[in-house]
Amino acid sequence: QLQLQESGPGLVKPSETLSLTCTVSGGSISSSSYYWGWIRQPPGKGLEWIGSIYYSGSAYYNPSLKSRVTISVDTSKNQFSLKVSSVTAADTAVYYCARWQRLSGSSGYHHNTLDYWGQGTLVTVSS
Amino acid sequence: EIVLTQSPATLSLSPGERATLSCRASQSVSSYLAWYQQKPGQAPRLLIYDASNRATGIPARFSGSGSGTDFTLTISSLEPEDFAVYYCQQRITFGQGTRLEIK
Repeated sequence: QLQLQESGPGLVKPSETLSLTCTVSGGSISSSSYYWGWIRQPPGKGLEWIGSIYYSGSAYYNPSLKSRVTISVDTSKNQFSLKVSSVTAADTAVYYCARWQRLSGSSGYHHNTLDYWGQGTLVTVSS
Repeated sequence: EIVLTQSPATLSLSPGERATLSCRASQSVSSYLAWYQQKPGQAPRLLIYDASNRATGIPARFSGSGSGTDFTLTISSLEPEDFAVYYCQQRITFGQGTRLEIK
């Protein structure tokens, strides 16, 4: 059974960089069938895609966050990571790592169903 | 960019009743739409993929329908554990959610 587990600090100071890692177990991150990525949910609000990555290193970012976000992958450790720079209180949220099915379409590959999620980790931005 | 609009925002029903949740896309997404259930303190759980296929282990009372721009999640007879928030999703876009609450 595939499992995803987020890890990283639960408290980050304003203007600093938020860093999280997602460790994948029970399956390989080096599969051509999936994208791996991050989604966040501010307290009491909905879900927001942050970005995702293919095992080759190709990354895709939410345009509204692109200038502050970096997602990387380490296939040797079966992990992928998230960095969000210059955080503010608006970045306080539960951060989920997740797996998308990667589907071939008429205009190339795209994200399809999110079939596995981590349990989520609350990151609070506060001094 | 595709926008997904869910309705209603809140649905108040009693156990045993039928629930009908709607998700409308701003342009055609064919059948590439999924539904998720989220309970407090938990990650979302996949219910329906490709508009009408139940995910592994999902009870038969959950069903999905639709294609193009209009999609529906139906819960045929509500169980107490079904009261939660439901999201639709297409590629990297999510609807704003429908809260299903006990009447």
